[in-house]
Amino acid sequence: SSELTQDPAVSVTLGQTVRITCQGDSLGSYYASWYQQKPGQAPVLVIYGENNRPSGIPDRFSGSSSGNTASLTITGSQAEDEADYYCNSRDRSGYHVVFGGGTKLTVL
Amino acid sequence: QVQLVESGGGVVQPGGSLTLSCAASRFTFSTYGMHWVRQAPGKGLEWVAFIWSDGSQKYNADSVKGRFTISRDNSKNTLYLQMSSLRAEDTAVYYCAKDSFASSSSVFDYWGQGTLVTVSS
Repeated sequence: SSELTQDPAVSVTLGQTVRITCQGDSLGSYYASWYQQKPGQAPVLVIYGENNRPSGIPDRFSGSSSGNTASLTITGSQAEDEADYYCNSRDRSGYHVVFGGGTKLTVL
Repeated sequence: QVQLVESGGGVVQPGGSLTLSCAASRFTFSTYGMHWVRQAPGKGLEWVAFIWSDGSQKYNADSVKGRFTISRDNSKNTLYLQMSSLRAEDTAVYYCAKDSFASSSSVFDYWGQGTLVTVSS
């Protein structure tokens, strides 16, 4: 079982804001990173560190954290944001990496 | 643009062995840690293994410990995953992913397209 917990599915109306969360003990010590995966494609890094976006990622994607919970927020969701989203971080030992179970985002 | 190209996947019988390769280009391979991540059909991502930039430190997930070995050849810009005693539950798409640091940061900034391993008799 994953040491990071995500809601299996979330939906959002086109143009609205959605928050996807990730909970785990290790998040009290390490930042989460967030990945977007569309069907048949490799994951893509969208947020890392405190709230950093790689080049090419739209600024409607943002990250935050509080205690043992990390969040990915999409402000003004677009149809192309429909995808699976995964969080990851180091585990409590600091030597291994753990992924959340993933959240399927549906844009209505 | 960073390029990672996996190869070596295929169908293997339970108990068998297979070696995956990941050819890296368009970045200084020897200065970054590298990971293997897998995804079983219809399932989520699972971290498999990590190796430091110089190969001096390696870490495996408990699910593959003693069966899988990660290695790298910095002179060939290539990452490897030797898999043995394969089980049906090892069936997955295997991705190589570049870490953003020499040691593990858990920030996977580039991914390959994956190679499918099917363990079946």
